[in-house]
Amino acid sequence: SQTIHQWPATLVQPVGSPLSLECTVEGTSNPNLYWYRQAAGRGLQLLFYSVGIGQISSEVPQNLSASRPQDRQFILSSKKLLLSDSGFYLCAWSRRSGVGTGELFFGEGSRLTVL
Amino acid sequence: AQSVSQHNHHVILSEAASLELGCNYSYGGTVNLFWYVQYPGQHLQLLLKYFSGDPLVKGIKGFEAEFIKSKFSFNLRKPSVQWSDTAEYFCAVGGATNKLIFGTGTLLAVQP
Repeated sequence: SQTIHQWPATLVQPVGSPLSLECTVEGTSNPNLYWYRQAAGRGLQLLFYSVGIGQISSEVPQNLSASRPQDRQFILSSKKLLLSDSGFYLCAWSRRSGVGTGELFFGEGSRLTVL
Repeated sequence: AQSVSQHNHHVILSEAASLELGCNYSYGGTVNLFWYVQYPGQHLQLLLKYFSGDPLVKGIKGFEAEFIKSKFSFNLRKPSVQWSDTAEYFCAVGGATNKLIFGTGTLLAVQP
């Protein structure tokens, strides 16, 4: 069976510090990978998605970046965090298919607080 | 551009009442449509999905949704809600772009 792991679950960081959130999928290959930010009343905002190693699509200009160094690994980073980067970050994966976007399976989420 | 609009931000119902949550989307190609649910303290999970075929889709826990192409809508329905349906509901649209765009969500509170 497939599993998705995301860590750390909780992170408190000072403004200006770097960030690295990691997401790993097991039990599948060539997944599509996604990073979302969830905020109350604003739903899930798509930040980045990837259809393959080294292929990253950015949806929203911001202080964050994403990388996919391996097929099942997706990393969300920042060189210098801002207060506005605080939030709940979700990683997700879906199977590749010929019929477009498939069902997403979500990780447990990472709560980031920037002070 | 790909987008989703959920008109009801907060819905309060009594048990046994009928539910309909609105969802409208904007997408220029063949769409894949989803409803996800997030129960308090839990992860997002898929409620139902539409890819093609019968526009009336049945999901888990008695939910259904109808794809009306002419109205760009995919409304979620349930004939009789239960207290356990209290959750946040998200509509989402995807397609050939491989990205899934979510609406802002609807908080449903069912009073016993």
